[in-house]
Amino acid sequence: SQQGEEDPQALSIQEGENATMNCSYKTSINNLQWYRQNSGRGLVHLILIRSNEREKHSGRLRVTLDTSKKSSSLLITASRAADTASYFCATDQIQGAQKLVFGQGTRLTINP
Amino acid sequence: DAGITQSPRHKVTETGTPVTLRCHQTENHRYMYWYRQDPGHGLRLIHYSYGVKDTDKGEVSDGYSVSRSKTEDFLLTLESATSSQTSVYFCAISESASNREPRFGPGTRLTVL
Repeated sequence: SQQGEEDPQALSIQEGENATMNCSYKTSINNLQWYRQNSGRGLVHLILIRSNEREKHSGRLRVTLDTSKKSSSLLITASRAADTASYFCATDQIQGAQKLVFGQGTRLTINP
Repeated sequence: DAGITQSPRHKVTETGTPVTLRCHQTENHRYMYWYRQDPGHGLRLIHYSYGVKDTDKGEVSDGYSVSRSKTEDFLLTLESATSSQTSVYFCAISESASNREPRFGPGTRLTVL
């Protein structure tokens, strides 16, 4: 079963605009992570946010976490064509082994 | 990521044949994982290892077995491959400390005809 549900499943925007993707999950978590995957390629880790954190930034990325609503959002500001990819959230429920449970992903397309 | 490699990178096999995928790490990490990814989906955990000879099942373990005889190698075996096991398989490694992200290998694309 998928822990994370991502919304929207697909998003198409113009270059320069901001992109927001949302992730909801069902059970308590230790941390939540966001990954990017270019078509046919491996996973690139973007950000890890711990359950006791509410917001985290990395360059043009901003991640929020609301544990009361069991949801997270990933904001990409000033999007670029190179940001075109699939984005996945993944939750880690326990300490120690990182048995990640992934969402189905959001397919982001940045139009030039 | 040169610290984690997978072999083979691509494999085509026939239904009913055994298949073994290898994950090799040079980071001396304690934990190793096998995930599969199907079209339009995120990754799902098959099995993981928390030390040499210590393994446990993940979400989709049926039809798969694993072995870890050395810290650096984690093998995934399909005893009798089926078409439903056509997928991309990713290996990952992580340290003992929590709240450190795992690192993923480049993936193995397996096609079962």
